[in-house]
Amino acid sequence: GAGVSQSPRYKVAKRGQDVALRCDPISGHVSLFWYQQALGQGPEFLTYFQNEAQLDKSGLPSDRFFAERPEGSVSTLKIQRTQQEDSAVYLCASSLDSHEQFFGPGTRLTVL
Amino acid sequence: DQQVKQNSPSLSVQEGRISILNCDYTNSMFDYFLWYKKYPAEGPTFLISISSIKDKNEDGRFTVFLNKSAKHLSLHIVPSQPGDSAVYFCAASEVGGNNDMRFGAGTRLTVKP
Repeated sequence: GAGVSQSPRYKVAKRGQDVALRCDPISGHVSLFWYQQALGQGPEFLTYFQNEAQLDKSGLPSDRFFAERPEGSVSTLKIQRTQQEDSAVYLCASSLDSHEQFFGPGTRLTVL
Repeated sequence: DQQVKQNSPSLSVQEGRISILNCDYTNSMFDYFLWYKKYPAEGPTFLISISSIKDKNEDGRFTVFLNKSAKHLSLHIVPSQPGDSAVYFCAASEVGGNNDMRFGAGTRLTVKP
């Protein structure tokens, strides 16, 4: 199918390790969002791109979190020096500039 | 600061009966509301939405009601089917925003055959 894909689906990292999570949005979708979903909670907004421009990064919890979308398509969320509290499912969503966002399956990050 | 609240973590109903999932919000700037459905190990899937200029939107077995004065919305599923068993998230986005959404914590619906 031509949905949003994310890789890896599961990632286990040792505390202090850097990780990179990838999102392939639906082709042609201008808007791309990253969310963090902790266990038992709803997704929480992290950051938003319109094409290659990162228009809102107000949800990033610390300067250890960094996201990029250099060519306006694939996006990478990088977490440096991971901490146990970073353990969560990271969801990517894309949108054709409308309210309806299409989500990927998420990457479950576990920091030991 | 949870701007969208789903106070019922779980709901169980019998097949064929009505399921009512509730959601409250605090931010009066929200102008668009959505319900997403999530199965295990999958991302949320859009179900139905409503603009703040309406008080009801219906799509097949799913109806969303919005009460702006009470800052409350609800999702009705009738008749409920076992395949509806999933976690349902309420979400809201703000006037003039980037369409980034604020989500509730979710309600796990179980429909018993």
